[in-house]
Amino acid sequence: DAGITQSPRHKVTETGTPVTLRCHQTENHRYMYWYRQDPGHGLRLIHYSYGVKDTDKGEVSDGYSVSRSKTEDFLLTLESATSSQTSVYFCAIAERDGSSYNSPLHFGNGTRLTVT
Amino acid sequence: GDSVTQMEGPVTLSEEAFLTINCTYTATGYPSLFWYVQYPGEGLQLLLKATKADDKGSNKGFEATYRKETTSFHLEKGSVQVSDSAVYFCALSDKDTGGFKTIFGAGTRLFVKA
Repeated sequence: DAGITQSPRHKVTETGTPVTLRCHQTENHRYMYWYRQDPGHGLRLIHYSYGVKDTDKGEVSDGYSVSRSKTEDFLLTLESATSSQTSVYFCAIAERDGSSYNSPLHFGNGTRLTVT
Repeated sequence: GDSVTQMEGPVTLSEEAFLTINCTYTATGYPSLFWYVQYPGEGLQLLLKATKADDKGSNKGFEATYRKETTSFHLEKGSVQVSDSAVYFCALSDKDTGGFKTIFGAGTRLFVKA
């Protein structure tokens, strides 16, 4: 199994509070991704990173920010949590060099976030 | 933009039945195509992939062929088992401005009855 650890695994928080989810990898992969999984929507990309301090937005980035100060850690922050951000969040990593984008994603086991 | 459409579930089959889960895609470039599987309480795992037209990916009895002319990548298995019960996701990976993105379909839940 790829070495990906997400923390926390479960979290309940109140509307309006900031929340940070952590993804840690031991694979030294360049690419890291944050997805959210909701019924009927599959997985939707929030943000991704293609190197330290290099990040870009996905299709559902509003209300989220990310940071990557080290290769191994990719943090997702909900600046002011809302009930619509109740979801399961998955981190994924991939080793993709400049000429190949057919490497698969390796996923963590997810963080279940409930915003009350 | 790029997108993936797969058949809605749930799909319920008896053990040893034939499985087909349809998947079609739209893409501006030449994507790689994937099927992932998700078991309860876990993250997604790669099931199989194909990187160019007419490639066939296969794993654990599952197969899918990259059909560029019909923009499809249908998943098939000749004889399903109870242990195949899971959610299956079709996905494509393509270049993006900053790197590479993977886009997923909505997922198809499969139930296999003994």
